[in-house]
Amino acid sequence: AQSVTQLDSQVPVFEEAPVELRCNYSSSVSVYLFWYVQYPNQGLQLLLKYLSGSTLVKGINGFEAEFNKSQTSFHLRKPSVHISDTAEYFCAVSERGDYKLSFGAGTTVTVRA
Amino acid sequence: DAGITQSPRHKVTETGTPVTLRCHQTENHRYMYWYRQDPGHGLRLIHYSYGVKDTDKGEVSDGYSVSRSKTEDFLLTLESATSSQTSVYFCAVWEPSSGNTIYFGEGSWLTVV
Repeated sequence: AQSVTQLDSQVPVFEEAPVELRCNYSSSVSVYLFWYVQYPNQGLQLLLKYLSGSTLVKGINGFEAEFNKSQTSFHLRKPSVHISDTAEYFCAVSERGDYKLSFGAGTTVTVRA
Repeated sequence: DAGITQSPRHKVTETGTPVTLRCHQTENHRYMYWYRQDPGHGLRLIHYSYGVKDTDKGEVSDGYSVSRSKTEDFLLTLESATSSQTSVYFCAVWEPSSGNTIYFGEGSWLTVV
């Protein structure tokens, strides 16, 4: 079964600075990978997903992530954050054909002026 | 949002009482899920369904049961609510035919006192 580790539980960052959120997964088979964002008291919104093909995935709101199969990682990046990016971010993985999604514990990003 | 509606959105109940949460979808998705979200744990899978009357346990299924008698409805029942089941519950659907898109409901906040 797959599992996900988000390496940072909290990431403080200044406005207009870059941010990277780290995600590692464990699985012995091919996977689908996802990043979700959750704003306070709201549901989950998909930022981006990797299904196949190019390992660099671009998502909404200027986010991108890179799939690294050898390191079993799927780190999320944004070159310049805004106050409005303050939220909790979740990495998730599913083994292909399994149709079950496993989540990491989440990373809280706090953007300060 | 794939036409997902969760009800009730907020509920306070007493320890020992049964509680049923409903997830209703309007777009005939085959795969449906119930997750719970707790601080420091991300989202954890409770039960899932691959079709009508086809359900199975997730990683935190103790104390919960589900039913899916119609494609559109996936019910989660807490047989005898305990304080440890105070949580936010999210329903999700997976649509493989549209780029493996996973849609989440807006959540149900349950407090067991």
